[in-house]
Amino acid sequence: ILNVEQSPQSLHVQEGDSTNFTCSFPSSNFYALHWYRWETAKSPEALFVMTLNGDEKKKGRISATLNTKEGYSYLYIKGSQPEDSATYLCAFRIQGAQKLVFGQGTRLTINP
Amino acid sequence: DGGITQSPKYLFRKEGQNVTLSCEQNLNHDAMYWYRQDPGQGLRLIYYSQIVNDFQKGDIAEGYSVSREKKESFPLTVTSAQKNPTAFYLCASSKVEYQPQHFGDGTRLSIL
Repeated sequence: ILNVEQSPQSLHVQEGDSTNFTCSFPSSNFYALHWYRWETAKSPEALFVMTLNGDEKKKGRISATLNTKEGYSYLYIKGSQPEDSATYLCAFRIQGAQKLVFGQGTRLTINP
Repeated sequence: DGGITQSPKYLFRKEGQNVTLSCEQNLNHDAMYWYRQDPGQGLRLIYYSQIVNDFQKGDIAEGYSVSREKKESFPLTVTSAQKNPTAFYLCASSKVEYQPQHFGDGTRLSIL
């Protein structure tokens, strides 16, 4: 059974501070790594799909890096704002599989 | 606007009853998915479908059934064989299986 671990499970950050969290996944047979943001009372929204080792993606103040050889991805948020409060999910796909395996998520709360 | 519509938002099931959750998309996506979320856990895949009239079991398919008679629709039936159906159910779709997934707003199912 494939296991995707996210850490920490929850995080409280002061508005304006930068933060980051981790997604760990099996390093063999890697195909793709997805990041999603899930705000309360909304549906999950795709942030990034990453496929290449060393990939870096950026969307506004949010960026992500990927290390497929060691099996981890970092999500960074620069200058956190209250609207960044959400649960951030990562999901992993292995080669030859048609499905994603999701981590438990990191619940981020930005304190004004 | 294109998107995924899940209905109903809340659903109650009596003992021994089958209930069906609706999922419709107008994104012209080929692949559709059903996930279940329980407190403290990541999204777990119930069933997925890559084309009309074809679907595959996910990790927790027991007690559930699906159909894919139309590209736009992927209803999920929670049967009486599912002994612990209380959960939040999310439907998703993607253009092809390796593209980011788009999610509906979810259905919360409870037992009466």
